[in-house]
Amino acid sequence: EVQLVQSGAEVKKPGESLKISCKGSGYSFTSYWIGWVRQMPGKGLEWMGIIYPGDSDTRYSPSFQGQVTISADKSISTAYLQWSSLKASDTAMYYCARHRQGGGDCYEIDYWGQGTLVTVSS
Amino acid sequence: DIQMTQSPSSLSASVGDRVTITCRASQSIRTYLNWYQQKPGKAPKLLIYAASSLQSGVPSRFSGSGSGTDFTLTISSLQPEDFATYYCQQSHSTLYTFGQGTKLEIK
Repeated sequence: EVQLVQSGAEVKKPGESLKISCKGSGYSFTSYWIGWVRQMPGKGLEWMGIIYPGDSDTRYSPSFQGQVTISADKSISTAYLQWSSLKASDTAMYYCARHRQGGGDCYEIDYWGQGTLVTVSS
Repeated sequence: DIQMTQSPSSLSASVGDRVTITCRASQSIRTYLNWYQQKPGKAPKLLIYAASSLQSGVPSRFSGSGSGTDFTLTISSLQPEDFATYYCQQSHSTLYTFGQGTKLEIK
């Protein structure tokens, strides 16, 4: 059974750093792109970026480029999302998401983590 | 970036109704369009991929169509469990943008 299990909720202060994780199991972790999706309170889904754990190829949405870092450790089947200096506006639910190439060149998200709630407040 | 615009933003309907949600891309995305359903407090769920392919396990009352810039998600006969928020997503460019969502509420 494919599972993406994310690390627990975090409460941080502005300016602090943070790294959240997403551990994949039940499939070949190095064979699928895995990405991150932000959902701010009461708002829609925002695609942040993806990484291919097989070779660490990483792509970012321009909205998030330079604001976060996506990485992966294929030896432990885990992807990460990190911030060097959090802002209050980073308060959101963050989902990791496995991307599957299901129809020709179309990629879709077929599995999601349970979400990690990040709260940034002074 | 490719922008995705859904309409309507919200919709009230009754059990048994036929409902259509529209998604428009700012440029052609061929059939690289996916639809997701999200219920409160839950992760989204894939319904339709590549514009018209039904994800395994999803009821056949859900269907998708379209190509190029205009796409639709249709629910043929609304069930109580279908009241949720629906998002389209393009995967034509590597930056896989979502639409803003359509909230489907009970009338």
